[in-house]
Amino acid sequence: KAGVTQTPRYLIKTRGQQVTLSCSPISGHRSVSWYQQTPGQGLQFLFEYFSETQRNKGNFPGRFSGRQFSNSRSEMNVSTLELGDSALYLCASSLGNEQFFGPGTRLTVL
Amino acid sequence: SQQGEEDPQALSIQEGENATMNCSYKTSINNLQWYRQNSGRGLVHLILIRSNEREKHSGRLRVTLDTSKKSSSLLITASRAADTASYFCATGRGGSYIPTFGRGTSLIVHP
Repeated sequence: KAGVTQTPRYLIKTRGQQVTLSCSPISGHRSVSWYQQTPGQGLQFLFEYFSETQRNKGNFPGRFSGRQFSNSRSEMNVSTLELGDSALYLCASSLGNEQFFGPGTRLTVL
Repeated sequence: SQQGEEDPQALSIQEGENATMNCSYKTSINNLQWYRQNSGRGLVHLILIRSNEREKHSGRLRVTLDTSKKSSSLLITASRAADTASYFCATGRGGSYIPTFGRGTSLIVHP
């Protein structure tokens, strides 16, 4: 079974731009969660989607948004990028308590 | 804020030695999970222990959970250089199964 895939793996943007990251979960997994990982804050939960609906949301500003498609693939969007948005963005799909993580997208904001 | 906090923040040992890392949390939990992350990559699930369990084993891994002390430990026996990674605990609470992660323990195993 293929694992969780994330595209792109690396991204460089400038302040004020917007970015869209993509995540394809493991086949059959309907829940997709997104996390931001930085050295200072560690792993922070962004949001979780289940059957195309946002089911849980972390404490991030409205510039961070996401969506899930009928095939369970998910995208997250960050608008008006700030320097502090530079991070590793991780996506995880799950079937129950265990989460399976993708390799992440490394976003650098200049 | 982080629910689980790992201790120590960093651990450096020789190959063949055992590595022990601890996780403390503040509120009651339903389960606790341990994950491993190799540098700059995704997390790999290692083991889940439920609040009514006290100990679980998986290969060279041994996890204990003490709900009275709100703490868990992960023991890696006979460590290998390939065990070099960051290790995170994640707690699950109530009806939500979105785990809350600690900041991790960075383990370096010297060959």
